[in-house]
Amino acid sequence: EIVLTQSPGTLSLSPGERATLSCRAGQSVNSRDLAWYQQKPGQAPRLLIYGASNRATGIPDRFSGSASGTDFTLTISRLEPEDFAVYSCQQYDSSPPGYTFGQGTKLEIK
Amino acid sequence: QVQLQESGPRLVKPSETLSLTCAVSGGSISSGNWWTWVRQPPGKGLEWIGEIYHSGSPNYNPSLKSRVTISVDTSKNQFFLKLTSVTAADTAVYYCAREGTHGYSIGYWGQGILVAVSS
Repeated sequence: EIVLTQSPGTLSLSPGERATLSCRAGQSVNSRDLAWYQQKPGQAPRLLIYGASNRATGIPDRFSGSASGTDFTLTISRLEPEDFAVYSCQQYDSSPPGYTFGQGTKLEIK
Repeated sequence: QVQLQESGPRLVKPSETLSLTCAVSGGSISSGNWWTWVRQPPGKGLEWIGEIYHSGSPNYNPSLKSRVTISVDTSKNQFFLKLTSVTAADTAVYYCAREGTHGYSIGYWGQGILVAVSS
């Protein structure tokens, strides 16, 4: 099972600032299989990024994803008040088939 | 736009079986996608439970495989989760979901149902 480690655990920033969230895989991951989700309290997760760098339908362009080896990054260029939430990365493994999630990064208002 | 809705008992006794139903609307469960269950214990991260194709070929999380059964009823446009021998550690919000349009991600989620395991 591939372990995903997210950092930091909590990120405190102000609206308008840039947020950089990290997800490190314990072994090689195909970028095709890496996704990011946003989750607000009491709500289901929402898909933000699939294939490491592709925005899902309706996601603003201030959200972007990138990959470098086993390191994946979610960047929010200019934080809006509605962006403060928990962000989780996810990878899909085909052998055996299944998803694993990172433990999440809480983005809070400073 | 596909929509998913979980239903089932919100309180289950220890050692009993947790049974949930996911009703799919706005699309056919036979559309060629994988249908998924994910859970989230209070205050913790997401855990994938398993998935099933409309033809009935399930994949399970190895850590839960001995206790989990996921099945599908295409005539009712529903799929199901059964988790046996539950303990307090199985208390969680359970989500039913569907893979995203581009695969390898989960693009559609139900609202979730909190199931507590307690006597």
